[in-house]
This record gives sequence, structure tokens and C-alpha cells, in this order.
Amino acid sequence: GESVGLHLPTLSVQEGDNSIINCAYSNSASDYFIWYKQESGKGPQFIIDIRSNMDKRQGQRVTVLLNKTVKHLSLQIAATQPGDSAVYFCAENDPDSNYQLIWGAGTKLIIKP
Amino acid sequence: NAGVMQNPRHLVRRRGQEARLRCSPMKGHSHVYWYRQLPEEGLKFMVYLQKENIIDESGMPKERFSAEFPKEGPSILRIQQVVRGDSAAYFCASSPVAGEHEQYFGPGTRLTVT
Repeated sequence: GESVGLHLPTLSVQEGDNSIINCAYSNSASDYFIWYKQESGKGPQFIIDIRSNMDKRQGQRVTVLLNKTVKHLSLQIAATQPGDSAVYFCAENDPDSNYQLIWGAGTKLIIKP
Repeated sequence: NAGVMQNPRHLVRRRGQEARLRCSPMKGHSHVYWYRQLPEEGLKFMVYLQKENIIDESGMPKERFSAEFPKEGPSILRIQQVVRGDSAAYFCASSPVAGEHEQYFGPGTRLTVT
């Protein structure tokens, strides 16, 4: 079935550099996307979301870009810090549900000192 | 303001035993969602409950699994006669309004079946 997928399972970034985590989705009917951060031993933490009527949304040190033409989503983290080490999941809404999300497998972000 | 609470954090059961996982939603939240996560995978929806009602259990196996959210007390996910394939992290999330994508997650219960 249709699902969300991630290009890179692991991403290593130098501390202070910017991180870009990519995500592909295949359900063209999805209109809401969320990025979650999951630290080791913890539950997922909401980072930022974006609706399909937007191309870009910024938060504190994070930016989400949505390219509907190629069904691609990215999360940019500026000035990566050690505390950013985590697994990052993108998720898309299930168009047939008000609350169900379709989760990708995750990208592990490793910060090099 | 306490977040979503789950206990136990770690649970070890032998094959054939029962596992009970508890979830207390955030204060003021009356909508609870349970998810299962296998290693290096995303979360899979299991069930959505409101107080005393199961709204959607489409993601929950028909046998051995059940969930409840009583009027008083935490939500409980119950797995009977556990098998090794039930080993996973089980997360609970809550939201203040019905059917909400922005859900607040608990720390999870890691179930290991030996």
C-alpha cells in the first residue's frame, strides 16, 4: 500500500552545521504532514507540521519544506546541537481518518562533535 | 502539568502470560490512542478510545488484544497469552479534542516476551 518512506536511515552531521532530513510520500491525497523527534527511550515529540496549501513553514531552528510536485518533504535543522540527536519521523495523514497517521521508518541523526 | 504517563516502562513476560500496559493521559485529555513500534520502524496505530468507548480498533489484532478506558483510572492495553512477536514498544498518546492529529505521547512501555 501507499506509505511514507525516508531516503537515509542514518545521517551524521557536524555540530553547528545544518541538517536536512528527507522524506518521500506516495499518497497524493494526503494533505497534512508532521515531523516527530524521538530520543532514545522516549516517546515521539511533535516538532512541526505543514498543510498541503503551504510550501514552507518555519519554527524555532527548524524549517519544513513541502514539494507536492514530487511528493517530497524535508526537515531542516539549523545549527545542529548535540540535543538534536534522535530519530526523526515524518508522517502523513491518512486521508480516510481524522486522526490516523502513516509513519515512515525514521532517520537517525547523529551529531559529531 | 504532567504529561502522558505510562507504566510500567519495561515489562518482561514469558510466552503465554498476560501483559497489562497502563496509560494516564494528560490532564484534561479524554482521548487516548495506542501505538506499537517495532525496532527501527515507525509507529503503527492500534486503537483509539474515549472515556468508556472504543472509537476505532482497526489497528488492533482481533485475538488476544483488548483495550479499555474506564470512567475512572487509566487506559489499559491488555495482551493475553503473549508470544515473542508481541515484543515491541507500546506508546500511548492523548489529545484534548476528538480525532486530533497533534497527539501528545507518553514514554512508552517496552514489552519483552521471553
